[in-house]
Amino acid sequence: IQLTQSPSSLSASVGDRVTITCRASQVVSSYLAWYQQKPGRAPKLLIYAVSTLQSGVPSRFAGSESGTDFTLTISSLQPEDIATYYCQQLNGYPPWTFGQGTKVEIK
Amino acid sequence: EVQLLDSGGGLVQPGGSLRLSCAVSGFTFSTSGMSWVRQAPGKGLEWVSTISGNGGHTYHADSVKGRFTISRDNSRNTLYMQMTSLRADDTAVYYCAKVHASGWYDGFDFWGQGTLVTVSS
Repeated sequence: IQLTQSPSSLSASVGDRVTITCRASQVVSSYLAWYQQKPGRAPKLLIYAVSTLQSGVPSRFAGSESGTDFTLTISSLQPEDIATYYCQQLNGYPPWTFGQGTKVEIK
Repeated sequence: EVQLLDSGGGLVQPGGSLRLSCAVSGFTFSTSGMSWVRQAPGKGLEWVSTISGNGGHTYHADSVKGRFTISRDNSRNTLYMQMTSLRADDTAVYYCAKVHASGWYDGFDFWGQGTLVTVSS
């Protein structure tokens, strides 16, 4: 299963609403997770099962789906949200592929 | 507190071998699936391997199948990755990661800090 993220990078202002899309090449049911990775750090799980917020993650992060398209939304971008974001599908047995990443920068 | 400590990375020549370790604490290791994920310099994340809690089921990416072997020692709370026939394109930071406590398909909820493997002559 291939995952295609768009855009590959974006620049937005503090307080903006930011949307990242992840399109799957096949049905992945509800087995889709989102991660945040800051430079030089390990990835951090933000959302699993499409829309369930991981414990401790701010409520400005949200996930949704429409068919094979999945969306990560940051409702109000904060300076600490500067990172690269990855989606991952976990449908059935591995391989559990990642998207290629979306780099978010502050304008 | 959940902790995962990756180790074992280093510089190895093409065709060489290396064993990575991931020592864990703060959760019931023997009932937790575990994975390895790698990231080549400046590139994205690549899932490498996953092993079930009792070690009875293992999965490997096609890119490493036949060369890498994931294993675990539940008595030592340690995950391993034996890497053989290493190639330049195996150069990456390798992260161990814990399968989510809520279910096998819910992603990786805790990660190690990563260990760098460099394959070069």
